[in-house]
Amino acid sequence: NAGVTQTPKFQVLKTGQSMTLQCAQDMNHEYMSWYRQDPGMGLRLIHYSVGAGITDQGEVPNGYNVSRSTTEDFPLRLLSAAPSQTSVYFCASRLGSGFATNEKLFFGSGTQLSVL
Amino acid sequence: KQEVTQIPAALSVPEGENLVLNCSFTDSAIYNLQWFRQDPGKGLTSLLLIQSSQREQTSGRLNASLDKSSGRSTLYIAASQPGDSATYLCAVRSYGQNFVFGPGTRLSVLP
Repeated sequence: NAGVTQTPKFQVLKTGQSMTLQCAQDMNHEYMSWYRQDPGMGLRLIHYSVGAGITDQGEVPNGYNVSRSTTEDFPLRLLSAAPSQTSVYFCASRLGSGFATNEKLFFGSGTQLSVL
Repeated sequence: KQEVTQIPAALSVPEGENLVLNCSFTDSAIYNLQWFRQDPGKGLTSLLLIQSSQREQTSGRLNASLDKSSGRSTLYIAASQPGDSATYLCAVRSYGQNFVFGPGTRLSVLP
């Protein structure tokens, strides 16, 4: 059971380039999300999805796009990379998508992104 | 807006000590609270989840308590070991979809 898989683990971009961070889970989880982690700021939510075809913005969505065409995959797209997007990105999922659920959140191992 | 803080930011203890990590949140109307461990360069691993109706949860040497009225949770680690060295984060879920994370406490357990 692979859990939550993120690729790539490391990436260096130049300002203005675009790229897609991949996230896949094999646990049939309805809820998937993307966070960024910056020193001293904790994890901040970028976008989340409660099922295929349904996405919504989190706390810091600007500069990022998401889509969810299947239950398993939730890619994060950087449209035009900026140095402020240098960060560690984590994908996380949980089984239920309802408001009244108590399932734990499971994380991938992260993608370290540097934008020069 | 929910805000989560953790004190101390860093902690260094000798092996064998019992220790307490603190998590505070501003809005007491939470649904649950989850404690995570993060090793350097790794993702987050869930340790314990406490529902709003619960006062505490235990797993091995770990015990997490929740006091919603005061907006606090503590993570108690008994008989600490060098392998416990990591960053510990708490995350609070209000009545909605998403968790709000604290900045973490970096723990070093010295042999």
